[in-house]
Amino acid sequence: EAGVTQSPTHLIKTRGQQATLRCSPISGHTSVYWYQQALGLGLQFLLWYDEGEERNRGNFPPRFSGRQFPNYSSELNVNALELEDSALYLCASSLRQSSTGANVLTFGAGSRLTVL
Amino acid sequence: ELKVEQNPLFLSMQEGKNYTIYCNYSTTSDRLYWYRQDPGKSLESLFVLLSNGAVKQEGRLMASLDTKARLSTLHITAAVHDLSATYFCAVAPTGTASKLTFGTGTRLQVTL
Repeated sequence: EAGVTQSPTHLIKTRGQQATLRCSPISGHTSVYWYQQALGLGLQFLLWYDEGEERNRGNFPPRFSGRQFPNYSSELNVNALELEDSALYLCASSLRQSSTGANVLTFGAGSRLTVL
Repeated sequence: ELKVEQNPLFLSMQEGKNYTIYCNYSTTSDRLYWYRQDPGKSLESLFVLLSNGAVKQEGRLMASLDTKARLSTLHITAAVHDLSATYFCAVAPTGTASKLTFGTGTRLQVTL
């Protein structure tokens, strides 16, 4: 079974540009999460999508946006890039979330974004 | 806002020794996760703890959950070099299908 796949693996951009990161969840998973892992800051929650809808959003400015497609894959867009956006962006997927049950997230290998 | 704190942040230990990593969180939760991350790699799920008093063990790692104290521990027994990694705990608030909040991570280095 294929895991969570992310592309690109590495991306180098300059300040002010836009970056688009992509994520394909595990087959059958409908929930997709995006996390930012910046050096020294741990994992910060960005966005959660389920069934094509944005379900929750972390404390990030609106220039961080995304969407989920009908096949449950997802894109993360970062506009007007700033130097501090340099980080590893991790995508995770899970079965549909519920208020009970394990809801284990499976993570992809990440996309490393460098902003110069 | 849910806060999750881990300590220590960095742990250097010799092979064969035992140690415990602590995870404290600030709100009620009945779901707590432990993940492992190797350098330059993604996160790997280790344990899911779903109820007060839950204990799970895999090899030299054992995780437990005390929901009353809002505390989880990850105990390492007779450490080996292969356990060197960063360990994260993550918490979801009770009764919600909500986002996970991760702790700061504990970087474990096992030396010979």
